[in-house]
Amino acid sequence: SQQGEEDPQALSIQEGENATMNCSYKTSINNLQWYRQNSGRGLVHLILIRSNEREKHSGRLRVTLDTSKKSSSLLITASRAADTASYFCATDRSGTYKYIFGTGTRLKVLA
Amino acid sequence: EADIYQTPRYLVIGTGKKITLECSQTMGHDKMYWYQQDPGMELHLIHYSYGVNSTEKGDLSSESTVSRIRTEHFPLTLESARPSHTSQYLCASSEQGLSPLHFGNGTRLTVT
Repeated sequence: SQQGEEDPQALSIQEGENATMNCSYKTSINNLQWYRQNSGRGLVHLILIRSNEREKHSGRLRVTLDTSKKSSSLLITASRAADTASYFCATDRSGTYKYIFGTGTRLKVLA
Repeated sequence: EADIYQTPRYLVIGTGKKITLECSQTMGHDKMYWYQQDPGMELHLIHYSYGVNSTEKGDLSSESTVSRIRTEHFPLTLESARPSHTSQYLCASSEQGLSPLHFGNGTRLTVT
């Protein structure tokens, strides 16, 4: 079964609002990464958080990691129409570098 | 952006044909991956490689095979394509250690 699951599966918000999506995973990890995928394209890396980190920022993105709950969240602040995409978390099981992706959250930002 | 290339971008073929999906990267990355993704769905790891002459199956059983004769090249082959192979195939690479994956734009395969 897949390592990670995101929720919600789909999210629709107005431009300027914040978007929060969550990721849960099952096994111990070295790191967790978030990716964005525009329709019909490959994935683009957004941010990497190591297992010993609790929070990380990059521009309008904020990622948190709670290893005790095996969960992470991605917050996009002041969303823009260009943020419309699918967002995936990816984890590597400790001791491997096989990256397993979650089910994805489809974000739609309405102008 | 990332220097990883997949060809062809789109492929429509008939059942029973042999096909090879190409993936090349110019970043000198040791690790390379193939993922299968149905439209609007999650990605499934089908093959990965830690370096030349190193390939392993991923979590999703796949009838495809891969080879890694050169660092920069990681082709995926289907000996006899079937309609169930219709999907998007994404190739990725990364450096050693805790590094992000760099993805190609994918090959969308349709088997009729």
